[in-house]
Formats: sequence, structure tokens, C-alpha cells
Amino acid sequence: KAGVTQTPRYLIKTRGQQVTLSCSPISGHRSVSWYQQTPGQGLQFLFEYFSETQRNKGNFPGRFSGRQFSNSRSEMNVSTLELGDSALYLCASSLAVGAANTGELFFGEGSRLTVL
Amino acid sequence: AQKITQTQPGMFVQEKEAVTLDCTYDTSDPSYGLFWYKQPSSGEMIFLIYQGSYDQQNATEGRYSLNFQKARKSANLVISASQLGDSAMYFCAMRENFGNEKLTFGTGTRLTIIP
Repeated sequence: KAGVTQTPRYLIKTRGQQVTLSCSPISGHRSVSWYQQTPGQGLQFLFEYFSETQRNKGNFPGRFSGRQFSNSRSEMNVSTLELGDSALYLCASSLAVGAANTGELFFGEGSRLTVL
Repeated sequence: AQKITQTQPGMFVQEKEAVTLDCTYDTSDPSYGLFWYKQPSSGEMIFLIYQGSYDQQNATEGRYSLNFQKARKSANLVISASQLGDSAMYFCAMRENFGNEKLTFGTGTRLTIIP
């Protein structure tokens, strides 16, 4: 069974550019969430998508956006990049069937973004 | 207040010894889940173990066990018979409100296994 797949794994952008990251969840998983990891702030929740709807959102500016497609694949976009956006962006998927959920939530290998 | 607290920034343990990584949490929600993840230098977050707030028994997964003390709000990870490959960052995380997949993470513990 394939795991969570994130592309690209590494990318370098310059300030002011925009970037799109992709996440393919484990087959059958309906929830996809995104996290930003930096040395200073640690792991922070960006947003979660379930059945193509954003169900939860973290405390990030509007430059950070995302979407989910009918096949559960998700993309996140960061516009007008700033130096502080340099981070490891992690995507996680889960079955997300409410109270019956066993709780397991699986991450991809991440996309490492460097903003110059 | 911190929702997840990991008080050990770093630990050094001799190979084959058992190790306990501490995690305390804070929530007023009766329904929550607690997770432990391992993050090697490659960056991938590897799921280790999960404990639901209503689970009566402590979770175990191979060499990993979770020492869940609900009244003390602690969820310590125990790794038995440590191996060199266990060297990594370890994160404790909590999910509140079933149906909400948002995880709140602690700051992590860097575990180094000494041969």
C-alpha cells in the first residue's frame, strides 16, 4: 500500500514568487492536513481538507491557501513568498471517520522549500 | 499555556537500554487522542503509536509502548531495547475533538543512541 506522496521534495524560490505543493494521500483516506515545520516555530498546523472542503484552518496569513480534489489529492499554495516561508511542509492523511477513527494519521516525507 | 509539553530537549541512551520520553498535555476536552511520531534526519514523520482518551489499556506497538496516565495528563513513550536506528527527533502530539484532524505538537526530544 503506497504511503503519502508529496511533490516536489525540494524547491528553491525567490521572494515574491508563488509556489504550489502537492500531496497524494493513502488510498481510501479522505482527510488531508498540512503542517509547516521551522526550527523557530516547530510544527504548526496550516489547514485540513475533508471531502474537498476546508474543515479547519490554522493561524496563517491569507497568502497560504489550499484545496482538495475529488480524488482526495490536495495542493497548497503560498503566494508572494517571504524569507520566513522557508520550511519543511508536511502533508498528513487519515481515514477521518469521526469517533470511530482509530486515530492513525500518516505523514509524507515533506516538501522542503527554500526562499532566497 | 502549552498544550503539549516535552521537557527533554535531548537524551543520550546506551544501545539496548530502555528509554522513556516524557510528554504532558493540557486539554479540557474529554475526547482526545495522543500520538507519538519519530522524525529522522530525512524529515519524514513516522507514526509510532496512538492512544485514545477512552482507551482502557496502554497502547503498544512492537518495541514502543505508551504509558498513559490520564489523571496526571501524561503520555510517555517507552522504547524497549533501544537500537542505533532509534536515533531521531521524537514528537508527542494531541488531537482534540474527534472529527477534527488537527494535531498540536510538542517541541520534540532529540534521542541519540550510543553504541
